[in-house]
Amino acid sequence: DVKVTQSSRYLVKRTGEKVFLECVQDMDHENMFWYRQDPGLGLRLIYFSYDVKMKEKGDIPEGYSVSREKKERFSLILESASTNQTSMYLCASSLQVNTEAFFGQGTRLTVV
Amino acid sequence: GESVGLHLPTLSVQEGDNSIINCAYSNSASDYFIWYKQESGKGPQFIIDIRSNMDKRQGQRVTVLLNKTVKHLSLQIAATQPGDSAVYFCAENMPLIYNQGGKLIFGQGTELSVKP
Repeated sequence: DVKVTQSSRYLVKRTGEKVFLECVQDMDHENMFWYRQDPGLGLRLIYFSYDVKMKEKGDIPEGYSVSREKKERFSLILESASTNQTSMYLCASSLQVNTEAFFGQGTRLTVV
Repeated sequence: GESVGLHLPTLSVQEGDNSIINCAYSNSASDYFIWYKQESGKGPQFIIDIRSNMDKRQGQRVTVLLNKTVKHLSLQIAATQPGDSAVYFCAENMPLIYNQGGKLIFGQGTELSVKP
């Protein structure tokens, strides 16, 4: 079974802190994605990556950056956390374009 | 009063009935579509997918229909069960023209509630 693991289920950070959300997949997938999920808004794409060291902006990249130094790991970085970044963050990976994406369990981040 | 968030579209069905969940997608260049189910406290789980060169695909108790003319996708669940209660999302893959990547975009979601 494909496993997508997010490093934390729950995280509480202070405004202005630098926050790292880590995601690891164990199936040699090419593509990895970061979404945030808010009530009534569905999943909104923040950033995605189709190869090591490659990244593409999604629909809401402002306030975020990403890093993909190794194929199996995709990190989401909040340079200076703000309260409007309180959300559920979901990581996903897929083998290649036009194949199903597998999701992690999510990280619920609260910024106070 | 203040708005604290948007409400999901909801569909309420009786156990044993068929359910139809609809989705309008945004990009006529999208070439691959997926339906996901999300239960409370979990990440989305794959249900069924369909490529743009097809208009219908069937799985176990589920059928996906694709109408490219009006950019519409639907998920049909036969003999709906209480365990089908969840939020359902459609997703479309928008290919990037300058590399081999693809942008996987999700719809707002529909909450399905099954009454026993």
